[in-house]
Amino acid sequence: EAGVAQSPRYKIIEKRQSVAFWCNPISGHATLYWYQQILGQGPKLLIQFQNNGVVDDSQLPKDRFSAERLKGVDSTLKIQPAKLEDSAVYLCASSTHTGELFFGEGSRLTVL
Amino acid sequence: AQKVTQAQTEISVVEKEDVTLDCVYETRDTTYYLFWYKQPPSGELVFLIRRNSFDEQNEISGRYSWNFQKSTSSFNFTITASQVVDSAVYFCAPVYDPNAGGTSYGKLTFGQGTILTVHP
Repeated sequence: EAGVAQSPRYKIIEKRQSVAFWCNPISGHATLYWYQQILGQGPKLLIQFQNNGVVDDSQLPKDRFSAERLKGVDSTLKIQPAKLEDSAVYLCASSTHTGELFFGEGSRLTVL
Repeated sequence: AQKVTQAQTEISVVEKEDVTLDCVYETRDTTYYLFWYKQPPSGELVFLIRRNSFDEQNEISGRYSWNFQKSTSSFNFTITASQVVDSAVYFCAPVYDPNAGGTSYGKLTFGQGTILTVHP
C-alpha cells in the first residue's frame, strides 16, 4: 500500500515570496491533516479536512496560509507571503475512522 | 491550557539497555485518547500506540510496553533491550476533545519530544 506522498521535499525561498506544498493521502482515507513542525518542537495541527470540507482550521494563520482539498483527495497548503518564522517542516497525514494517522515524510521549508 | 510534558529532552543508552520515556499530560476532559509516535531521522512520524482513557491496562507489544496511570496523568513508554534502530524522537500526544474519536482523532497535542540515541 502506498503511503502519504508529499512534495516538494525541500524548498528554500526569500521572505515575502509564496510557496505551495502538495499532499496525496493514502487511497480511501477520508481525513487529511496538515501539521507544522518547527525545529526542536512537536508537530502542531494547522488544518484538518474530512473529505473536502474543513473540520478544524483554528490554528491556521489565515492571513498568510491557505489550504484546500479539491475532490476530497489531494490537498495543497499555500503560504503567501512567507515570513522567517514559517521555516519548518510541513507534515501531511491521513487517517480512516480507526484514528491511526499515517504521516508523509514532510516538506522542509527554509525562509531566508 | 492543556499541556503535555516530556521532561526528558534527550536520553542516551547503550544497546540492550532498557529505557523508559516519560509523558505527563494535563486535561480537564473525562474522555480522551493518548498516542505515542516515533520520528526516525527520515522525518516520517510512525504510529506506535493509541490508549483510551477508560482503559488503564498496561500493554506490551514485543519490546515495547506502556504504563498508563490515570491517577498521576502519566503515560510512560518503555523499550526493553534497546536497539540502534530505536534511535529516534518519540512523541507523546493526547487528543483533548470531549467527543474524542471519529473526526477528532487528528487533533493531537504533541509534546516536545524525547530524543533517544541508542549506541552500539
